[in-house]
Amino acid sequence: EDQVTQSPEALRLQEGESSSLNCSYTVSGLRGLFWYRQDPGKGPEFLFTLYSAGEEKEKERLKATLTKKESFLHITAPKPEDSATYLCAVQTYSSASKIIFGSGTRLSIRP
Amino acid sequence: DTGVSQNPRHKITKRGQNVTFRCDPISEHNRLYWYRQTLGQGPEFLTYFQNEAQLEKSRLLSDRFSAERPKGSFSTLEIQRTEQGDSAMYLCASSLTLTSGRQNEQYFGPGTRLTVT
Repeated sequence: EDQVTQSPEALRLQEGESSSLNCSYTVSGLRGLFWYRQDPGKGPEFLFTLYSAGEEKEKERLKATLTKKESFLHITAPKPEDSATYLCAVQTYSSASKIIFGSGTRLSIRP
Repeated sequence: DTGVSQNPRHKITKRGQNVTFRCDPISEHNRLYWYRQTLGQGPEFLTYFQNEAQLEKSRLLSDRFSAERPKGSFSTLEIQRTEQGDSAMYLCASSLTLTSGRQNEQYFGPGTRLTVT
C-alpha cells in the first residue's frame, strides 16, 4: 500500500536556527512529490513539485530535495512567519488523480 | 481573486440532517478534487472530476456522500443523514491537465469546516 510518513510530528526552533523536515515514502511508482504549507484553519498552500531523484527546488528560505526513498524540506534561518504545518504528498502512476498526504510536521519558530 | 473558493466556510448541523457544500475552482482548471481533513492529519482524497465526469471515488466516500460537477464548472458535495464522524474540514482543490504527462500541482480552497452535533 502506498504510504507517506513525515517526521518529526512537531518541531520547535529558535529564529535563525536552520533544520530539515523529512518525508519518507513507499509507493508503487512515483509520478511526483509535493510540499504544501498549511496555516491553522486554512487550506494547504502549494510550495514545490519534485519529479525525480536528485531534483532540488528553492523558494526564499525553503529548499526541497528528493531521493528515491525520501524528500527533505530544508529551512534556512527561519523566521516566526515560517511557523505552519508542512505537508508532503505523493502522486503515483497507479492513480491519475489523487495525491496521498502525510500527517504533516508542525513547525514553530520562536522569536 | 482567482483562487479556489468554497462556501460556506463553516457549517454546524444536527445529526441526521443533510448538508451541501460548494466549490468554485480556478476558472481555467479542468480537474477538481474533494478531500477531507481531520485534526492532526493530512487531507484524505474523496473524489475527483475531470470536466463534468467523476472519474475516481475513494472507498471513504460512503453512499451518504454524493458529488456533482454540472457543466464542468463549480462542484457540490452533499452529505445525507450526517453523523458525528462526518465532522471535519472539507477541502476542494483544482488543477490543470498537462499534456507532458506530468502531474500539475493542485491548488486548494480555504475549506468548509463541518461540525455535526
